[in-house]
Order: sequence, then C-alpha cells, then structure tokens
Amino acid sequence: GNSVTQMEGPVTLSEEAFLTINCTYTATGYPSLFWYVQYPGEGLQLLLKATKADDKGSNKGFEATYRKETTSFHLEKGSVQVSDSAVYFCALSDNAGNMLTFGGGTRLMVKP
Amino acid sequence: KAGVTQTPRYLIKTRGQQVTLSCSPISGHRSVSWYQQTPGQGLQFLFEYFSETQRNKGNFPGRFSGRQFSNSRSEMNVSTLELGDSALYLCASSTGTNANTGELFFGEGSRLTVL
Repeated sequence: GNSVTQMEGPVTLSEEAFLTINCTYTATGYPSLFWYVQYPGEGLQLLLKATKADDKGSNKGFEATYRKETTSFHLEKGSVQVSDSAVYFCALSDNAGNMLTFGGGTRLMVKP
Repeated sequence: KAGVTQTPRYLIKTRGQQVTLSCSPISGHRSVSWYQQTPGQGLQFLFEYFSETQRNKGNFPGRFSGRQFSNSRSEMNVSTLELGDSALYLCASSTGTNANTGELFFGEGSRLTVL
C-alpha cells in the first residue's frame, strides 16, 4: 500500500534560517504529492502540490520538487519567519479521487 | 466565500453510544472527504463522497459510515463507540474534478471524546 514518511519534529530554527523538511513516499504508479500546513488553531490548508516527476511546487516562499528517482518531496524555504511556525504534513494521492495518504507531520518552531 | 463548516465542534460520548457529525462543504464543491486525526495514528482517510455516492473508502470497521445529501452536505456516523474512537474528525471538500485531485479544503474538525 501507499505510505509517506517524514522527519520527526519538532524542528526548531531561528528566524531567517534555511528550512528543509524531508519527505519520502512509497506508492504504486505515479502519485501526486502535496504539502499541507496546519497553523495553530486553524484547519489544514494546502501549501503546494506537484503532479508529475520533476515538477516543482511553490507557494509563500516554500518549494518542493517531485523526485521520482529518490521517491522524495522535500520541503524547503530559504528564510523562515516566526509566522511559519506550524505543523507540516506531506501527503500523496494515487489520483483515484481524494483519498490522501498523509505522513505523520513535522512541527516547526521558529524563534525570533 | 464561506469555508467548510463542521458541527458540532466538541462532543463527549460514552462507550456504546453512537454519534453523528455534520459537514457543510464550500459552495459548489461536490466532493466531501472525512479523515480521523489522532496523536498515535496521525491522519487517516475514512471515506469520500461525490455526488451522493461513496467514491473511496478507507480501512475502518463498518461502525463508521457516512452519507452525502443532494446539496453536497455530508454526515458521518460512528456506532457502538469505543475509547479508541476519541479523535479529531476532519471534513474536507473539493471540486471533485480530476484536475483538482488532492486539493482539499479542510474544516476545523469535530473533536470527539469517548469516556
């Protein structure tokens, strides 16, 4: 079956530091890949997506590249802000509807 | 544009009881999915409804069921509650089209506590 593995947190960074959150997946076929974010007190929201190999998803300064050869979709940001503090979830869809498989989530804490 | 609305936000039940949770999707969205979120198991897919038909189903026992109405509103029901059913139940809506597969808009959830 499908699975998503992401680095355990919490990840604690100082403001303006570089961020990487690792995500690897196991799936049959060619899934679509997503990063969702859950800010404190809010619901999950889509951050970015990529639907095929070598696609790069980007939003709000965050980027992730779909790497089929390494089955990875690592999330990166060049300079984090305190407002980026949240829980980040990597997810995949095998494109059979909206049945997403989520990773366990990584809590990011950014200190001023 | 109103977001996804879930009711009730919090509820407490005892073992053996049953519970019904409601979800109103974003206007125009025809797909509604349900997820269970727990500290131990994380986010797990329950089922998805599209145009009143169950399109996908996760690996949960038959005590978990759902339905969707003609106005796209959805309900999920859990019968014979167990302690392990304590969780945050998230509803997510989507247009349901292939181009937007996986692009979900989540509600804030219904937090169920089973005593």
